[in-house]
Amino acid sequence: QITLKESGPTLVKPTQTLTLTCTFSGFSLSTSGVGVGWIRQPPGKALEWLALIYWNDDKRYSPSLKSRLTITKDTSKNQVVLTMTNMDPVDTATYYCAHVLYSSRSTYFDYWGQGTLVTVSS
Amino acid sequence: SSELTQDPAVSVALGQTVRITCQGDSLRSYYASWYQQKPGQAPVLVIYGKNNRPSGIPDRFSGSSSGNTASLTITGAQAEDEADYYCNSRDSSGNHLLFGGGTKLTVL
Repeated sequence: QITLKESGPTLVKPTQTLTLTCTFSGFSLSTSGVGVGWIRQPPGKALEWLALIYWNDDKRYSPSLKSRLTITKDTSKNQVVLTMTNMDPVDTATYYCAHVLYSSRSTYFDYWGQGTLVTVSS
Repeated sequence: SSELTQDPAVSVALGQTVRITCQGDSLRSYYASWYQQKPGQAPVLVIYGKNNRPSGIPDRFSGSSSGNTASLTITGAQAEDEADYYCNSRDSSGNHLLFGGGTKLTVL
C-alpha cells in the first residue's frame, strides 16, 4: 500500500531555510503519470499547493512562491525534498506531501502523508 | 482567472442531499478533484476525474461538472460527513495547481 511521511524541523527562525523530506513507499517515482506534491495549511486556513515533481523530473511551483521553493527527488531512496528559503512567521503551517496521479485532464492527490507542523518564530 | 471559488459554509439536514460547488475558468478544461478534511486529520480524496470514487468512499458521494463549475453532491448526508471540503484542479495554463478556499459542511 502507498504511504508517505513528512520529516523536518518543527521550529525554524525567520529568514532561515526550511528543508522538508517526504519518504514514501508502495510506488515508484519512475512510473509514468506519477508525481509527489507538497501542500501546506496554515492553522485554521485553507490548503495551498506549493510544488510538484513528476516521474520525468518535470517540476512545477506555485507562482506566488516560486522564487523561494526548490523540489528534488531521489528515486533510489524513495524521497522527495522541498526547500523553502527566507522563512517568515506567515509560513507557519502544517506541510503535507502527497502522491500525485497525472492525466491529460486531471492531476490529483490520492494519498497523503500525516503532515508536519512547522512553526516560524524567533 | 487563476483561482477556484467555493462557498465558505453549507449546511444540510441529516439524510438530505447537499451540493458543494467550485467555480473557476480552468474547470472548463480540467476536472476537479474533491477532498474531505476532518479536524486534525489529513485530507482524503473523495472524487477525482469525471466522477470517480477511490476505494472505500461511499457511493453517496458523486461529482459533476458544467461549464466553469464543478460540484460535489452528497446524497443522504450522514453525521460523519461533517467536514471541510476542498476542490482542486489545474489552473488555466495547465501548468500549476489550485485549491479552492474550502467549504465547511454542517450536518444538522
